[in-house]
Amino acid sequence: GQSLEQPSEVTAVEGAIVQINCTYQTSGFYGLSWYQQHDGGAPTFLSYNALDGLEETGRFSSFLSRSDSYGYLLLQELQMKDSASYFCAVRGSGYSTLTFGKGTMLLVSP
Amino acid sequence: DVKVTQSSRYLVKRTGEKVFLECVQDMDHENMFWYRQDPGLGLRLIYFSYDVKMKEKGDIPEGYSVSREKKERFSLILESASTNQTSMYLCASSSVGTEEQYFGPGTRLTVT
Repeated sequence: GQSLEQPSEVTAVEGAIVQINCTYQTSGFYGLSWYQQHDGGAPTFLSYNALDGLEETGRFSSFLSRSDSYGYLLLQELQMKDSASYFCAVRGSGYSTLTFGKGTMLLVSP
Repeated sequence: DVKVTQSSRYLVKRTGEKVFLECVQDMDHENMFWYRQDPGLGLRLIYFSYDVKMKEKGDIPEGYSVSREKKERFSLILESASTNQTSMYLCASSSVGTEEQYFGPGTRLTVT
């Protein structure tokens, strides 16, 4: 089976930096993805890491350590619109299926 | 622009009814997925399909079936709806060789 752990809620202020951690236990591992979901909206893809290291896309970065079964999403220069739920997801097989974590609700305050 | 559409945004059905949820994508994607999303549980995969007429069980297939007769359309069927199937149902699609899944807006199903 597969399981992912991430914090249920994180709070931060505008302009700050926040890190959302994700640890996973899987029988197979191809890569770790991150999705953002605003309240009432559909999940949208943010990033994918297949190899160790940091991937940067604008204000968002994602990190993976395969040896530690650990990754994180780093959000910089936080804006109010970043208030949303963030899900990590593991691709554990040759199929393109994902196992999602339970999500982290990020609350950004002024 | 990439688009995944779902037949209904909200649906109310009675226990025991047969329920069809339809999903259509216009991106010529090979892979299609059905998830349910419940508070505190994240997204859980029900079924997926990697080609027309092909289907594979996900993590929670019990009580559901699927149909994919055309590449762009993936249907989720609840043969006999039960109250524990009240949930948000999300459809997604992706292209072979890419990691990004594109999600539809979801159908909030209530079974009474």
